Amino acid sequence: AQSVTQPDARVTVSEGASLQLRCKYSYSGTPYLFWYVQYPRQGLQLLLKYYSGDPVVQGVNGFEAEFSKSNSSFHLRKASVHWSDSAVYFCVLSAEGSNAKLTFGKGTKLSVKS
Amino acid sequence: AQTIHQWPVAEIKAVGSPLSLGCTIKGKSSPNLYWYWQATGGTLQQLFYSITVGQVESVVQLNLSASRPKDDQFILSTEKLLLSHSGFYLCAWSLQWGTEVFFGKGTRLTVV
Repeated sequence: AQSVTQPDARVTVSEGASLQLRCKYSYSGTPYLFWYVQYPRQGLQLLLKYYSGDPVVQGVNGFEAEFSKSNSSFHLRKASVHWSDSAVYFCVLSAEGSNAKLTFGKGTKLSVKS
Repeated sequence: AQTIHQWPVAEIKAVGSPLSLGCTIKGKSSPNLYWYWQATGGTLQQLFYSITVGQVESVVQLNLSASRPKDDQFILSTEKLLLSHSGFYLCAWSLQWGTEVFFGKGTRLTVV
């Protein structure tokens, strides 16, 4: 069985500050990892994804994430946040198999203070 | 370009009443289709998935059912709603395992 843990339910940062949202996963197979963002009362949008290769992947709006197999982690980072980044961020693992079942973390609610 | 349309946008329904939520995907043939549920303030759980017309697999039992009557259509339904069915329902599609999953804008269901 697979699981995703986002240890921080809420994070508050000031506009212009750097950001790291943490994600740890547990999975015995090849991890396919994603970060999705959910703005209030909306669906989910993909920020970035990792399949293989360079462990640092770039995403939209200046986000990047770093995969670490040794630490079973996939942390999300941004150098300078904007108030519009306020949203809920989900770390997601895609399991092997034809159903492409996604396992979601519980999400981290980011609040950016202006 | 592919589009995913969910309906209705929101519903307020009485306990014990029936429910039908729909989803249509345009611009992609034979996609994998999924229903996800998000309790208020919670994470997302996959409810059902379908890899072909007429075939639907249940992932979580919530007294709901799903059907795929056409290649581009996915329906979520129940004959009798419970209070616990309240939440946000998202339809999604992907081409195959490991690829990006695209989500609709969701249906907010309130059971009273």
